[in-house]
Amino acid sequence: GIQVEQSPPDLILQEGANSTLRCNFSDSVNNLQWFHQNPWGQLINLFYIPSGTKQNGRLSATTVATERYSLLYISSSQTTDSGVYFCAVAGSQGNLIFGKGTKLSVKP
Amino acid sequence: KAGVTQTPRYLIKTRGQQVTLSCSPISGHRSVSWYQQTPGQGLQFLFEYFSETQRNKGNFPGRFSGRQFSNSRSEMNVSTLELGDSALYLCASSLLQGGISTQYFGPGTRLTVL
Repeated sequence: GIQVEQSPPDLILQEGANSTLRCNFSDSVNNLQWFHQNPWGQLINLFYIPSGTKQNGRLSATTVATERYSLLYISSSQTTDSGVYFCAVAGSQGNLIFGKGTKLSVKP
Repeated sequence: KAGVTQTPRYLIKTRGQQVTLSCSPISGHRSVSWYQQTPGQGLQFLFEYFSETQRNKGNFPGRFSGRQFSNSRSEMNVSTLELGDSALYLCASSLLQGGISTQYFGPGTRLTVL
């Protein structure tokens, strides 16, 4: 099955810093989503981005499908950005296959 | 629109018991998927229901089962609970629109098995 790898596993930033999170996947996909899991466990949709680039405020994402990776950019980070960021792709049955996540801690 | 809701939010059971978790999807969404999240295994797919039929199933033992009702609400049941079933159980609903299927997650049910 498809393998999804995320890096780095942990990231500590000072408030105001920028960061880039990476997601590599082992096969071609037609569905890739980025999620933010807050400290209470809620998974929040950030982007549906099987290819191309999207931006939403301080967050943007780029997926290069031909090279099988996606990047999530966070600019001017805030303490509320803390949590775990997951990349997920659709498997052959349509279910989401998740990476192990990047745990982001933003310090004031 | 209201988001995906899950009940209960927290649950404590003992080994050998059974448990039923409930999920109400976003209005108009007909697909409901369940995922288990543990520190060791991460997020893993359990099963998906669409129009009251199980459409896909992950690699979990038969103790894990589910169903979907005509109003798209879904329940999952775990029988003969084991310590390793302690996890956050997440439900997601989706609406296939224009070939795009984006999944929206509920807040989860945190199950502790003692």
